[in-house]
Amino acid sequence: AQSVSQHNHHVILSEAASLELGCNYSYGGTVNLFWYVQYPGQHLQLLLKYFSGDPLVKGIKGFEAEFIKSKFSFNLRKPSVQWSDTAEYFCAVNAPDSWGKLQFGAGTQVVVTP
Amino acid sequence: EAGVTQSPTHLIKTRGQQATLRCSPISGHTSVYWYQQALGLGLQFLLWYDEGEERNRGNFPPRFSGRQFPNYSSELNVNALELEDSALYLCASSLKTPRSGGELFFGEGSRLTVL
Repeated sequence: AQSVSQHNHHVILSEAASLELGCNYSYGGTVNLFWYVQYPGQHLQLLLKYFSGDPLVKGIKGFEAEFIKSKFSFNLRKPSVQWSDTAEYFCAVNAPDSWGKLQFGAGTQVVVTP
Repeated sequence: EAGVTQSPTHLIKTRGQQATLRCSPISGHTSVYWYQQALGLGLQFLLWYDEGEERNRGNFPPRFSGRQFPNYSSELNVNALELEDSALYLCASSLKTPRSGGELFFGEGSRLTVL
């Protein structure tokens, strides 16, 4: 069965610090990969996605993620965070042969202090 | 363009009662998904409906059920409510095409509290 692991449950950092959130999945076939973000009081929004092609994907608000197939990883990065990046971040994996069952990681709560 | 809409926003029930939650997908989307977001447990996949049929189901008991209507809206029913059913229930919709890659668009959720 697919599973998605996010390495950190809580991250606290200061504004302007760099952020990297780890995500690993356990599925041997072709996968589609996503990072979603949930800002306080708001609904889940797509941050970025990887289907194929360039393994370095750029998303909204300065976020990027790198797909490393050999490591089954899809880590999220931002070089310099802002207070407004305080949110919960979810990694998600969809395997085309199990369409409709997007598997989410447990989420990482990120708090950015001024 | 309207996003995914869910109702009610909040619902309070007591143990043993039934809850019904509703969802309207984005126009043109035929697939609707339900997820449970309980405190500390992340998002757990509940159900997937497409073209009126249940296509996939997560590891939840049969008292969690739902349906999809001809206009692609959906409802989730939870029977014989238990305290641990208290959670945020999220509905999402998508296009069911390879090009979409399974990208989901989420509603704001319905907060169910079971007392």
